[in-house]
Amino acid sequence: DVKVTQSSRYLVKRTGEKVFLECVQDMDHENMFWYRQDPGLGLRLIYFSYDVKMKEKGDIPEGYSVSREKKERFSLILESASTNQTSMYLCASSPPRTGDEKLLFGSGTQLSVL
Amino acid sequence: RKEVEQDPGPFNVPEGATVAFNCTYSNSASQSFFWYRQDCRKEPKLLMSVYSSGNEDGRFTAQLNRASQYISLLIRDSKLSDSATYLCVVTFLTGANNLFFGTGTRLTVIP
Repeated sequence: DVKVTQSSRYLVKRTGEKVFLECVQDMDHENMFWYRQDPGLGLRLIYFSYDVKMKEKGDIPEGYSVSREKKERFSLILESASTNQTSMYLCASSPPRTGDEKLLFGSGTQLSVL
Repeated sequence: RKEVEQDPGPFNVPEGATVAFNCTYSNSASQSFFWYRQDCRKEPKLLMSVYSSGNEDGRFTAQLNRASQYISLLIRDSKLSDSATYLCVVTFLTGANNLFFGTGTRLTVIP
């Protein structure tokens, strides 16, 4: 059963901590994405990657960085966590753009920054 | 103006009812359209793609109206298990960020 796996379902961190969110997919997909989802705002794209070591900023990259050293793994890094980064973080992957992209999401990480 | 807009609801309907949601998009160059379903505190999952000719999957029918720039989702004979938030997704071929999500329409099916 193909899937996208996020390392943590719930995470509680303190302001100023460095936070790593890990995502692994087993479908050999080229594209991987990090979104955050907040009530009333929907899903907003933070960063995405079309290939190993390649990354592109999404709509809200400030305060975040990413790493893609291997095709199957895409990490989201909060360099210095702040309370406004409390959110649900969703990782997704998809095959190369064909004009008919479909995303497969991980189960999400609910991050609370205190 | 948002790229994709949905009525947030909630839509509360009795079992067996027919319910329809619309989603409007602002970019006439939009190429691909999808409906995703998201259960409470879970991840979104693809429900169905929306094709120009419209498509049907069991009790679910999706339609695209390019002239008026909206897509619709019709659910017939609603089940309790249909209770969820339905997200509209629109993609463009150009631009690095080519997927836009609506904020979702919440549906509750009541016994």
